[in-house]
Amino acid sequence: DTAVSQTPKYLVTQMGNDKSIKCEQNLGHDTMYWYKQDSKKFLKIMFSYNNKELIINETVPNRFSPKSPDKAHLNLHINSLELGDSAVYFCASSLSGRSAYNEQFFGPGTRLTVL
Amino acid sequence: AQSVAQPEDQVKVAEGNPLTVKCTYSVSGNPYLFWYVQYPNRGLQFLLKYITGDNLVKGSYGFEAEFNKSQTSFHLKKPSALVSDSALYFCAVSRRQGGKLIFGQGTELSVKP
Repeated sequence: DTAVSQTPKYLVTQMGNDKSIKCEQNLGHDTMYWYKQDSKKFLKIMFSYNNKELIINETVPNRFSPKSPDKAHLNLHINSLELGDSAVYFCASSLSGRSAYNEQFFGPGTRLTVL
Repeated sequence: AQSVAQPEDQVKVAEGNPLTVKCTYSVSGNPYLFWYVQYPNRGLQFLLKYITGDNLVKGSYGFEAEFNKSQTSFHLKKPSALVSDSALYFCAVSRRQGGKLIFGQGTELSVKP
C-alpha cells in the first residue's frame, strides 16, 4: 500500500500549457506539502496545507495554484508553463500537533519537463 | 532566518569504514533537526530526528546523529558503511512542530566495495 502517491510520475509538455499534478496520502495525516527539487537536487518548499487550509505559501509565481479538496489530497495546478518550471515536484505529508512526530513522508515525485 | 549547510557535496568511503556526513544549522530558538535519504529516482525517506533530550539520536538502517548545540551541528554517522548506503543525504531544520522544513543542499554519499 502506497503511503503517499503522486500522479503522473512523468510529465512532458510544451511551454505555455497548463498542467496538474495530483497527490494522495493514506496515512491519516492532516498536513500536506509541495516541494520543488531543481536540477542541482536543491529542495525547496512551495506550499503547505493543514486541514485544507493554506498555511505556507513561499515566494512562488502565482501561475502555481495548490488545491486541497480534503485532508488526504493536495493537487498542484500550473498555468502557462515555462522552461524554468522543469523540475521534480514532491508531495509530502505529516501529522501536526504538539504531541505528534512531525517527520514528513514523501511521495515518489513527478518529473516535469517543459519543452 | 533558518538555514542549513552541508559543507561537502560528496563523501566517499570504503565499505566497512565509518562514515560521517556533516550538517550545520542556523535558527533562532530551539531547532528540530532531521536527516532524510534519497535513493536514485525516489522520494525522500526519513532517517532520524532530534527534538529534545539525548544528544545522540539513533535512526533507521544503523544511522545515528549527534546534536551539538555549541557548534550548531547535527552530523550523521554510521560505524560501518554498506554499499547500499550510497545515496543523497539531506539535513533539514524546522523551528517548531508543523513548521516548514528548510533543507541543506544535500551530500552525495558513495560507498565503494
